[in-house]
Amino acid sequence: AQSVAQPEDQVNVAEGNPLTVKCTYSVSGNPYLFWYVQYPNRGLQFLLKYITGDNLVKGSYGFEAEFNTSQTSFHLKKPSALVSDSALYFCAVNGTNAGKSTFGDGTTLTVKP
Amino acid sequence: GAGVSQSPRYKVAKRGQDVALRCDPISGHVSLFWYQQALGQGPEFLTYFQNEAQLDKSGLPSDRFFAERPEGSVSTLKIQRTQQEDSAVYLCASSPRRNSNQPQHFGDGTRLSIL
Repeated sequence: AQSVAQPEDQVNVAEGNPLTVKCTYSVSGNPYLFWYVQYPNRGLQFLLKYITGDNLVKGSYGFEAEFNTSQTSFHLKKPSALVSDSALYFCAVNGTNAGKSTFGDGTTLTVKP
Repeated sequence: GAGVSQSPRYKVAKRGQDVALRCDPISGHVSLFWYQQALGQGPEFLTYFQNEAQLDKSGLPSDRFFAERPEGSVSTLKIQRTQQEDSAVYLCASSPRRNSNQPQHFGDGTRLSIL
């Protein structure tokens, strides 16, 4: 079975400060890891993914994520937060042979001016 | 180009009624997924199609839930004899290939409310 944990329901940061949204996972075999963002009354939008290779993955809107196999983590980061980054963020994992994604329960990011 | 389209956006039904939710994936996308998202939670997997074949339906909560994709494009999720616990947002997603390393493209969902 595969699972994802997002230990923080809410993350608050000031505009211009760095942000981190945490994610840990459990899966058999090599993981495929994803971050998505969801705005109110909308579907999920893809931000970035880790498949293989460089542990630091760069994605849309200046976001990046660091894959750490020993800690089974895939934390989302951004060097300088914007108010417009405020949204609900989901981490997801696919196993190598699993078509479906397993999602965490989400982290609400609030960036204050 | 057009994204994943879901209809209706909102559906209100009385307990015991049947409902049908439609998903138009991105043209040419092989894989199609249905998820159920309860308030304050992440999407929960329901079922997965590769073209017209339903390869995984392990997430369907009961035999009241049925999904089909007869021609490998449009998909319909049907819920029979709806119950209040079926109230949720139902999300459809598609991806271009069969590989599990592909990100999914989501529609905006159907918000189902059972009275």
